[in-house]
Amino acid sequence: KAGVTQTPRYLIKTRGQQVTLSCSPISGHRSVSWYQQTPGQGLQFLFEYFSETQRNKGNFPGRFSGRQFSNSRSEMNVSTLELGDSALYLCASSELAGSFSTGELFFGEGSRLTVL
Amino acid sequence: AQKVTQAQTEISVVEKEDVTLDCVYETRDTTYYLFWYKQPPSGELVFLIRRNSFDEQNEISGRYSWNFQKSTSSFNFTITASQVVDSAVYFCALSEAEGNNAGNMLTFGGGTRLMVKP
Repeated sequence: KAGVTQTPRYLIKTRGQQVTLSCSPISGHRSVSWYQQTPGQGLQFLFEYFSETQRNKGNFPGRFSGRQFSNSRSEMNVSTLELGDSALYLCASSELAGSFSTGELFFGEGSRLTVL
Repeated sequence: AQKVTQAQTEISVVEKEDVTLDCVYETRDTTYYLFWYKQPPSGELVFLIRRNSFDEQNEISGRYSWNFQKSTSSFNFTITASQVVDSAVYFCALSEAEGNNAGNMLTFGGGTRLMVKP
């Protein structure tokens, strides 16, 4: 069974640009969550999607957005990039969401974004 | 608000030593879930264990063991006879309950980098 796949693995952008990151969950998993990891703030929850609906959202500005498609694949977008957005963005999938979840999240290897 | 504290930012041990990683949490919820994840250099987080707030039994899995003490709000992780392959960053995390199960919105501690030297 293939794991969680994130693309691209590495990317460099400049301030003011926007970026879209993609996540393909494990086959059969319908919940996708996104986390940001930085040296200063650590791992922080961005948002969770289930059945194309956003279930939860972390404390991030509106420049951070996401969506989920009918095949459970998810994308996240960051607009008007700032230097502080440089981070490893991790996607995680689980079989179900919230009430029925096993609580085990399967993470991808992340997309490392550098903003210059 | 929930908070997870891992006071040890970095630990270095020699192979075969036992090592304990500390985790202290804060939550107002009476029902919650605790996790440990391992992050090797490749970046992905690997699930190790989940524990709910009603289950204070200690758990052992091979060389790994976990000690959950609700009275001190701690969920410590011990690796017995450490090996070089155990070198990684370890994260403790907390989630609130959604119904009778764990939610997927985790609050992570800052992580402990474990270096096991041969």
